[in-house]
Amino acid sequence: QSALTQPASVSGSPGQSITISCTGTSSDVGGYNYVSWYQQHPGKAPKLMIYEVSNRPSGVPDRFSGSKSGNTASLTISGLQAEDEADYYCSSYTSSSLYVFGTGTKVTVL
Amino acid sequence: EVQLVESGGGLVKPGGSLRLSCAASGFTFSNAWMSWVRQAPGKGLEWVGRIKSKTDGGTTDYAAPVKGRFTISRDDSKNTLYLQMNSLKTEDTAVYYCTTEGYSSGWYGVDYWGQGTLVTVSS
Repeated sequence: QSALTQPASVSGSPGQSITISCTGTSSDVGGYNYVSWYQQHPGKAPKLMIYEVSNRPSGVPDRFSGSKSGNTASLTISGLQAEDEADYYCSSYTSSSLYVFGTGTKVTVL
Repeated sequence: EVQLVESGGGLVKPGGSLRLSCAASGFTFSNAWMSWVRQAPGKGLEWVGRIKSKTDGGTTDYAAPVKGRFTISRDDSKNTLYLQMNSLKTEDTAVYYCTTEGYSSGWYGVDYWGQGTLVTVSS
């Protein structure tokens, strides 16, 4: 199972919006609505930010939103803040009943 | 509050074995589907495998790189998850995270994470 494809880096200024893409296949992202997004700050464990494509767990700011079109899922951060600087990973359920993560995206707040 | 505390990491030689443990609290462990995820130094996340709850069959699934070498088990009486790692390779060097799987309309993937334990495979 190959990792899902994400851009290596995305940057934006405070207050701006950025979008991170996550591209898979019809056997993972395109085939199921079980796409999740995780935020990881340096030296810390990842944290769930979005599940089932567009649902936010309790406590996650509504600046974070998710969507999917075909084989590509997206995470949008609106009103970018300094604390949003982190690595972000997508994940999807697969037709093999396993999970696969994305390659990861480093978000830089300029 | 969900708490997952891993232990058992350390330095092991190639070909050796190691068993990781994960003590869980703050939720009904026996009902939970549990997974292990690893992260090699400076690299991305990699899903290792999962064990379902006994009521859902208690079956396991593994990623291809570890299948046949790693075994996930659980002791619901102790609220503890295990990862037995055999025939270790240098490429197994990583921080290993114990995680829960979340449930909404279905089991949707990794939810809560432990702090991780470092496994280093080196001669």
